[in-house]
Amino acid sequence: EDQVTQSPEALRLQEGESSSLNCSYTVSGLRGLFWYRQDPGKGPEFLFTLYSAGEEKEKERLKATLTKKESFLHITAPKPEDSATYLCAVQALDSGGGADGLTFGKGTHLIIQP
Amino acid sequence: DAGVTQSPTHLIKTRGQHVTLRCSPISGHKSVSWYQQVLGQGPQFIFQYYEKEERGRGNFPDRFSARQFPNYSSELNVNALLLGDSALYLCASSGNSNQPQHFGDGTRLSIL
Repeated sequence: EDQVTQSPEALRLQEGESSSLNCSYTVSGLRGLFWYRQDPGKGPEFLFTLYSAGEEKEKERLKATLTKKESFLHITAPKPEDSATYLCAVQALDSGGGADGLTFGKGTHLIIQP
Repeated sequence: DAGVTQSPTHLIKTRGQHVTLRCSPISGHKSVSWYQQVLGQGPQFIFQYYEKEERGRGNFPDRFSARQFPNYSSELNVNALLLGDSALYLCASSGNSNQPQHFGDGTRLSIL
């Protein structure tokens, strides 16, 4: 069974204080690892897809990296508008029957204080 | 371009009732997936449809069913509602297996 564990559950940072969020996963074969951002009362917003160990993706103050067992979302000099819940999800190569369903972690609730 | 749209945005039902939730995918997307998100948890996969065929199903009881129409829109049906069905129901669409899934803002279902 595919599993995704995110840590920490919650993180409070000062504006400008860089940090990293962790996503540990077990999957029979990884098709892709996804990072999403979710604001209160909204659906998840797609950020990145990573496909193989060693891959990195960047967008503004965010950088995602991938190893064979975990992924990190690095946040550099965050601003209050970066406050949100960050979700990690995996998609298996063979979900049985060809389904593309994502397995999500519980998320990291990030608060950036001015 | 319009994103994934879901209706209604909020719904209140009582135990034992039936509910139908609707989803319109991004234009050109042929795959629609449904997820249930309970407060404080990540989304949990319910169904995926591609080209009007069911491609996969998560660990949900037979009270949950879905279908996809020729215009690729989709409905999620839940029968015999239980208190535990209270959640945010999310719809996601993608063009194919190699593209990321894009989510709507969901339907908040409350069961009294």
